[in-house]
Amino acid sequence: EADIYQTPRYLVIGTGKKITLECSQTMGHDKMYWYQQDPGMELHLIHYSYGVNSTEKGDLSSESTVSRIRTEHFPLTLESARPSHTSQYLCASTLPGGRGTDTQYFGPGTRLTVL
Amino acid sequence: SQKIEQNSEALNIQEGKTATLTCNYTNYSPAYLQWYRQDPGRGPVFLLLIRENEKEKRKERLKVTFDTTLKQSLFHITASQPADSATYLCALDSGGSYIPTFGRGTSLIVHP
Repeated sequence: EADIYQTPRYLVIGTGKKITLECSQTMGHDKMYWYQQDPGMELHLIHYSYGVNSTEKGDLSSESTVSRIRTEHFPLTLESARPSHTSQYLCASTLPGGRGTDTQYFGPGTRLTVL
Repeated sequence: SQKIEQNSEALNIQEGKTATLTCNYTNYSPAYLQWYRQDPGRGPVFLLLIRENEKEKRKERLKVTFDTTLKQSLFHITASQPADSATYLCALDSGGSYIPTFGRGTSLIVHP
């Protein structure tokens, strides 16, 4: 069982609110990721980080932002939530396995609903 | 464009049979391919990784094959059990960045 945690697990919020989804891992992994997944669909990478003070945008355009001030913590923020942001958000971190063999450990996810 | 294809139709099998799931890809030259299991409402869980120079990998009741000529991986679960029912995702490295790109997954339903 991976030691990666996400809070809240479920969130229902109104349009225009600012929200922060929390992700923490206790494994000391340098690389962390945020994915967005709709039911029955692929995981889409929205942000990733190679370590403290490193953040990059992923393949899927997102209006969210992330920060990485501490190794174990990688929060995702939406400044103004919209119904189009309704989705499942998954956080992951990587156990380094050498070049090209990183495997990912996922948190349980946050199911976000914006009304 | 790069594409990962997994059968979108659920695979229904009887308990005890071997389940075989397929992952096809185009316009990738992956250094490795991974398989994950995802249960409803949960994050994916890593199962197996196979490198481009490996033909087959086994772990308990699981077996993965990787054919870079056919651009295909097969994932087998032998002696399947109802507890194996889940969605199975394949993932490839994305153009050498070593950040996996995931397929949509195939749902497996094992009937008692």
